[in-house]
Amino acid sequence: EIVLTQSPATLSLSPGERATLSCRASQSVSSYLAWYQQKPGQAPRLLIYDVSNRATGIPARFSGSGSGTDFTLTISSLEPEDFAVYYCQQRINWLWTFGQGTKVGIK
Amino acid sequence: DVQLVESGGGLVQPGGSLRLSCAASGFTFSSYWMNWVRQAPGKGLEWVANIKQDGSEKYYVDSVKGRFTISRDNAKNSLYLQMNSLRAEDAAVYYCARAPYSRQPGTFFGYWGQGTLVTVSS
Repeated sequence: EIVLTQSPATLSLSPGERATLSCRASQSVSSYLAWYQQKPGQAPRLLIYDVSNRATGIPARFSGSGSGTDFTLTISSLEPEDFAVYYCQQRINWLWTFGQGTKVGIK
Repeated sequence: DVQLVESGGGLVQPGGSLRLSCAASGFTFSSYWMNWVRQAPGKGLEWVANIKQDGSEKYYVDSVKGRFTISRDNAKNSLYLQMNSLRAEDAAVYYCARAPYSRQPGTFFGYWGQGTLVTVSS
C-alpha cells in the first residue's frame, strides 16, 4: 500500500499570503495525484487532478506540481474562503488512498 | 447538475447492520463507476469500495472485506452499501462519490454527495 504523507499538518497564514502544501508518496504514483479542499461540515471538493490540472471552476490561484513521489499544492494568494483542510489522494492498482490532510488556518 | 444524495445513516450497535443508499441524478448513472468514501469524526478520508457501471466488478479496502457489500440498481439510479458486523471503527460520515469519466474507474473522485453519518455505539 502506498502511504501519502502531507506536511505540514497545520499552516497558519494571513489572507494574501502564499501557501505551499506538500504531499510525499512512499513510492512513485506516476501522475495520478489529486488534491481536495474540505471545509467544516462539507464534502470534499476536487481542486486538482493528474498533478496539475485544475478541476472545473477552480480559481487560477490554485496550482499543483510535482512528479514521482513529491507533490505540491500552491495557493498563490490566500482568499478568506481558502482557509480549510486540504487532502492529497492517489490510486495505485485497485486501492485509492488519501494523505492525512493539511489544515490551512488564519494567522 | 450532478447530484448525489446519501441516506440511511444512523445509530447502530456493535455487531449490527445498516444499509446506506445514494440517489444519483444529473448524469447517466449506468455509465459510471461509483464509490463509497468515509471519514471518521475528526479524521481523514478513507476509500471504502467501488463498483463498475454494470455491477460486474467490485473492490473493497481490506478493513471492510467480508463485512460490507457494495451494489447498485441502475434502473433506480441508486448506489448501496450494505454494512454488516459493524465495529466502533466503522463510525464515520459515508460519502458517495462518482468516478470522473464514464466507463472508467478513474484515479480521483469528481463529484461527492454530502454524506450520511453512521454511529456505532452500544
